[in-house]
Parts: sequence; structure tokens; C-alpha cells
Amino acid sequence: GENVEQHPSTLSVQEGDSAVIKCTYSDSASNYFPWYKQELGKGSQLIIDIRSNVGEKKDQRIAVTLNKTAKHFSLHITETQPEDSAVYFCAASRGGGADGLTFGKGTHLIIQP
Amino acid sequence: DAGITQSPRHKVTETGTPVTLRCHQTENHRYMYWYRQDPGHGLRLIHYSYGVKDTDKGEVSDGYSVSRSKTEDFLLTLESATSSQTSVYFCAISESSGPGGLYGYTFGSGTRLTVV
Repeated sequence: GENVEQHPSTLSVQEGDSAVIKCTYSDSASNYFPWYKQELGKGSQLIIDIRSNVGEKKDQRIAVTLNKTAKHFSLHITETQPEDSAVYFCAASRGGGADGLTFGKGTHLIIQP
Repeated sequence: DAGITQSPRHKVTETGTPVTLRCHQTENHRYMYWYRQDPGHGLRLIHYSYGVKDTDKGEVSDGYSVSRSKTEDFLLTLESATSSQTSVYFCAISESSGPGGLYGYTFGSGTRLTVV
């Protein structure tokens, strides 16, 4: 089955700086890679996703890059703000609802004022 | 979270007792999932459903059973709760977009279960 590794487990950055979280996956058939943000006491919210036919996708201060050859993808957050503090999860899927998603173990992002 | 609710939000139960968690959706999505979230493990799939009365096991299914008698409800039952099942449980729903992958993958707010 799929295995997703996520690094780092904790990331502390100064407000205004950029943050990068990296994930690798094992199943070359995976073709959908979402990122979720989880704030304390809440469920996970999808913040951005990318499919295997695209190398990069941006949404304002958030971007995701995908390298299918190396089987890794990354989340980039620029101009970080206090409200970016949360736990971020990457995931991978072959597509098709029955397979669900395989998640990384999460990164606790801390934005220092 | 819009369209998906979990109940209860918090529960404390004793070892050996049965416990049922409920997930209810109003999106008419085909797929429903139960995950547990533990420190150092992230989210792990317990069971999932791909239609009414159609369910299958996930990565950590031992000690859990599920039922889906109607599209909108997916129940997770701990037959005889153990301390190792103390966790936060999340339900999720999705609808497949076909060969291109998933869309509409939405999580509930979670149920914090403590087994004492």
C-alpha cells in the first residue's frame, strides 16, 4: 500500500518568512495530492491540492509543487501570518473514492511574532 | 463543517463497554470514512464505505465495526472499548470524480473518545 512520509514534524518560522513542508510517497500510481490544515479542536480543512498532470499550483500565499519522478511534493507558504499556525497534513491517493487518502504524520507549524 | 456532523463531540467510557460514534452527512456523497488521529501517527483509516451496506476495512480496523444502512449515516462501533482506542475520531466524506481522482473530500469536526 501507499506510504507517505512528511517532514519536518515541527516547524517554527518568524512572521513574514516563508515555510516549506515536504512529503514523499511510495506508490507511483498515486495521482492526487491534497494538503489539509487542522486548527486546534477542529477537523481538517483542504487548503490546496494538486493532480499528477500538473507540476505546480498556486493560491495566493500558498503553493504546492509536485515531482512525480522523485515522488515528492511540497507545500510552500509565503509571508506567513499568525493565523497560519496549525498542523498541516499531506496526503496521497490513487483517485477513486474507495481508496481513500493516505496521510503523512503532520507538521506543527508555529509562527513566531 | 458544512454538510457533515459527528456525534458525540466528546465521550468518556469504561474499558469493556461498547461505544457507537455517528457520522451524518447532508451532501449525498457516496464515500464515507472513519479515521483515528493519534500523536505521532497522523490520520489512519479504520473503515470506509462506498455505498449503502457496502463497507471495507482500512489500515487499523481491529476492534472496530461499521454500518451504513442509509446514505447519510455511517456508524463506527467499538465492540468492547480498550484504553488503546482512546483517540480523536474523524469522519470524512467524498465523491469520486472518476479516473481523475477525488473531489469533495470533507472532514467532520471530530469526536474525542477517552477510554478509562
